[in-house]
Amino acid sequence: DTAVSQTPKYLVTQMGNDKSIKCEQNLGHDTMYWYKQDSKKFLKIMFSYNNKELIINETVPNRFSPKSPDKAHLNLHINSLELGDSAVYFCASSQDRGREQFFGPGTRLTVL
Amino acid sequence: ELKVEQNPLFLSMQEGKNYTIYCNYSTTSDRLYWYRQDPGKSLESLFVLLSNGAVKQEGRLMASLDTKARLSTLHITAAVHDLSATYFCAVGGGADGLTFGKGTHLIIQP
Repeated sequence: DTAVSQTPKYLVTQMGNDKSIKCEQNLGHDTMYWYKQDSKKFLKIMFSYNNKELIINETVPNRFSPKSPDKAHLNLHINSLELGDSAVYFCASSQDRGREQFFGPGTRLTVL
Repeated sequence: ELKVEQNPLFLSMQEGKNYTIYCNYSTTSDRLYWYRQDPGKSLESLFVLLSNGAVKQEGRLMASLDTKARLSTLHITAAVHDLSATYFCAVGGGADGLTFGKGTHLIIQP
């Protein structure tokens, strides 16, 4: 009965490749998010998505793009991967903006 | 720009002792969250504090919120080893998502 799930859990790839991380929530929530946790464990919001409205953190490179096929899914696509993209990426969801967020298990991305 | 500062960032303490983690934030907010993260794991929600003066307790952990001082505290009573983890406070949660503190890495030694 996983509330927020992500696949894959680990992703190792070469620089320049394109990859996707999938996120699904079965909580019936309206809002989903992507966060990046760097090697120092600092967490930073990347995107929030609510009812087809996308809010993008201005510091996120445009190589990153979220895609939402439906309300329960928010996938993260990354083009032309760079070494600095190595991090743990967490998906989260909430009933609506301003409510408690529930986090997925994370995807550890390593770019070689 | 909202800034969230936690201190201390690292805390080593003995079992049975009490201690407090502090979380200051820079702009007005009436929502503050505390999360726990174990190594290699996800973030587990501990407390949601929604109003000035809110106090919540769960086991040996107690969290409080003072919106006028823009301060939240996480108090640990009679610490036990199982509480070793990284604790994050976070503010916001609106369209811009949560803004997290840098986390407090807590080690509790026997």
